[in-house]
Amino acid sequence: AQSVAQPEDQVNVAEGNPLTVKCTYSVSGNPYLFWYVQYPNRGLQFLLKYITGDNLVKGSYGFEAEFNKSQTSFHLKKPSALVSDSALYFCAVRGSMDTGRRALTFGSGTRLQVQP
Amino acid sequence: DSGVTQTPKHLITATGQRVTLRCSPRSGDLSVYWYQQSLDQGLQFLIQYYNGEERAKGNILERFSAQQFPDLHSELNLSSLELGDSALYFCASSVVASGGELFFGEGSRLTVL
Repeated sequence: AQSVAQPEDQVNVAEGNPLTVKCTYSVSGNPYLFWYVQYPNRGLQFLLKYITGDNLVKGSYGFEAEFNKSQTSFHLKKPSALVSDSALYFCAVRGSMDTGRRALTFGSGTRLQVQP
Repeated sequence: DSGVTQTPKHLITATGQRVTLRCSPRSGDLSVYWYQQSLDQGLQFLIQYYNGEERAKGNILERFSAQQFPDLHSELNLSSLELGDSALYFCASSVVASGGELFFGEGSRLTVL
């Protein structure tokens, strides 16, 4: 069974400071990893994904994520946080062995609060 | 705008009732997924369809059922509703490719009173 852990319910950061939202995963085979963001009363918006290749993945709105196979982690990062980045962030995974079931397994979410 | 359309956006009903949620996937996407988001359970995968056929089941209750029609839209039927079914129900669609990301609709918020 695959799983995702987001160990922090909330991350607080000051505007202009770098931010990190943590994610670790467990999956059979190679992982396909994703980050999504959810604003209040909205659907989930895709930010970025790791399938293969470079361990540093760049995505939307200046976000990037670093894949670390030995630590089974896929942390989301941004060099300089904006107040508008405040939202709920979800990490998700699917295993490369899941040829039929393509649904993603999501973590519990981390609320990012960026203070002005 | 993800291109995935869900209706209705809000629905209030009573215990014991039955409701149908509708989803239109992005143009060209053959796969449709249903998720339930609640405060205590987070985002739970319910069921997946591919080109009209059920492909995978997650934590879907027996009171719930879904189908995907020839035009690829999907419906999620929730019956004998209980208070605990109150949640945000999301539909997502994806391209058929390894590692394809899901594109989510805005969700249908169900309140059971």
